[in-house]
Amino acid sequence: DAGVIQSPRHEVTEMGQEVTLRCKPISGHNSLFWYRQTMMRGLELLIYFNNNVPIDDSGMPEDRFSAKMPNASFSTLKIQPSEPRDSAVYFCASNPGSKPSGYTFGSGTRLTVV
Amino acid sequence: AQSVAQPEDQVNVAEGNPLTVKCTYSVSGNPYLFWYVQYPNRGLQFLLKYITGDNLVKGSYGFEAEFNKSQTSFHLKKPSALVSDSALYFCAVRDDSSYKLIFGSGTRLLVRP
Repeated sequence: DAGVIQSPRHEVTEMGQEVTLRCKPISGHNSLFWYRQTMMRGLELLIYFNNNVPIDDSGMPEDRFSAKMPNASFSTLKIQPSEPRDSAVYFCASNPGSKPSGYTFGSGTRLTVV
Repeated sequence: AQSVAQPEDQVNVAEGNPLTVKCTYSVSGNPYLFWYVQYPNRGLQFLLKYITGDNLVKGSYGFEAEFNKSQTSFHLKKPSALVSDSALYFCAVRDDSSYKLIFGSGTRLLVRP
C-alpha cells in the first residue's frame, strides 16, 4: 500500500495564478479530507468527502478555493486566483469511513505564493 | 461542537526522563481520541487511539495515553524519552456521530541529550 499520495510536493507560484493540488487516497477508503497547516492557525479542516460527495465545506476559506472528487481514487483542491496568504502546507488524508479509525495523511504540498 | 486543547506550546525533557504531553477535549457524544506525530517536513503519523475499553492505550514507539472521562483528558506519555522523540505532537478528537477529526494546536516536544 503506497499510502495517501499527494502532488506536487512543492509549488511556487505567482499571485493571481491558478494552483491545483492533487490527492490519491488509499484504495478502499471512503472518506477524504483536505487540511491546511500554517504557523498561525495550525491544522484547519477545509473540506471532506464521503463516497466522493462533499459533506462539509464550511472550512473552505473563500470562493477562490474549490475541491472536487470525480472518483474514489482522485481529488483536487484548486485555488483561483492564488494570493500570498494562501501560502501553507496542504495535507490530504483518507479514512475507511465506516469505522472509528484514524486518518492516514499524505506527505503534503508546500505552497508558496509570491 | 468538538474542540481540543493542548495547553503547552512546548515541552522540554531530558533524555531518559518520563514525558507527558497534555490534551483535553470537548465533544457532544462519545469521543474517539487520537495522537499524531509530525516530524519536520513530513505528514502526520498516527501514534495511537482510544475508541472504547481500557483507559490506558498503548501505541507506537513506546508511547501510551490515558483516557480520563471525568477530566475529559487524553494525555500522551512515555516512560523514558529519546532524543529522536523530538517532534510536533497533535491530539485530535471526533465524536461517534461525525467524520470530522478536529486537531489541537500542537505541542512541540524537545528532548535534550
